[in-house]
Amino acid sequence: DTGVSQDPRHKITKRGQNVTFRCDPISEHNRLYWYRQTLGQGPEFLTYFQNEAQLEKSRLLSDRFSAERPKGSFSTLEIQRTEQGDSAMYLCASSRVRDGSYEQYFGPGTRLTVT
Amino acid sequence: KNEVEQSPQNLTAQEGEFITINCSYSVGISALHWLQQHPGGGIVSLFMLSSGKKKHGRLIATINIQEKHSSLHITASHPRDSAVYICAVGFSGGSNYKLTFGKGTLLTVNP
Repeated sequence: DTGVSQDPRHKITKRGQNVTFRCDPISEHNRLYWYRQTLGQGPEFLTYFQNEAQLEKSRLLSDRFSAERPKGSFSTLEIQRTEQGDSAMYLCASSRVRDGSYEQYFGPGTRLTVT
Repeated sequence: KNEVEQSPQNLTAQEGEFITINCSYSVGISALHWLQQHPGGGIVSLFMLSSGKKKHGRLIATINIQEKHSSLHITASHPRDSAVYICAVGFSGGSNYKLTFGKGTLLTVNP
C-alpha cells in the first residue's frame, strides 16, 4: 500500500488557464476528499466522493471548479479560467469507513501558483 | 458551523522541553483529530480520539468532551518535532464525515 498520491506536486500557471490535478487514493478506500489550504490557514473542505458519487460540495467550490471520480478510484479536480485567488495547496485525502473509524489519510498535496 | 481555535499560534522550545498545544471547538463532534504538517505540505494523522487519552511514543493527546477541549503534548521534544500541528474536528451527519480544521500551531524546537 503506497498511500495517497497526488500529481503534479507543483503547478505554476498563468491567470485564465485551466489546470487539472489528479489524486490516487489508497486502494479500497471508498471515500475521497478534496481540501484547499491557503498560506497560514488550516485546510478547508471542498468536496467529497463516496465511490464514484460526489455527495457534497462546499460553497467554496465555484462554477469554475469541477471534480470527478469516474470509476470510484482516482479523482481529478479541474479549475477553469484560473484566478490569482486560486493559488493554494490542494490536498486530497481518502478513508475507508470501517468499524466506525473515520480516519483520513492525506496525500502530499498539489501546490498551485497562479501568476 | 464548528469553530476550531488553536493556541498558541507559534511556539518555540528548546530540545527536551515538554510541549502543550491546545484546541477548543464550539459544537459537539464525532471525533477530534491531531495532524502534523511538515514544510512541503504533506499531512500525517497523529491521533483520532473521541474520549479520554491516547499515547503514541512521546506524543499524548487528551480530550474533554464536556469542555470541548483537547490538548496535544510532546514529551522530551526534539528538533525533528518541528512542524505545524493541526487540530481538526469531525462530525458525522448522514453519510458524510467532514473535518473542520484549526489554523495550526507552528512548533519550532531548537537544539
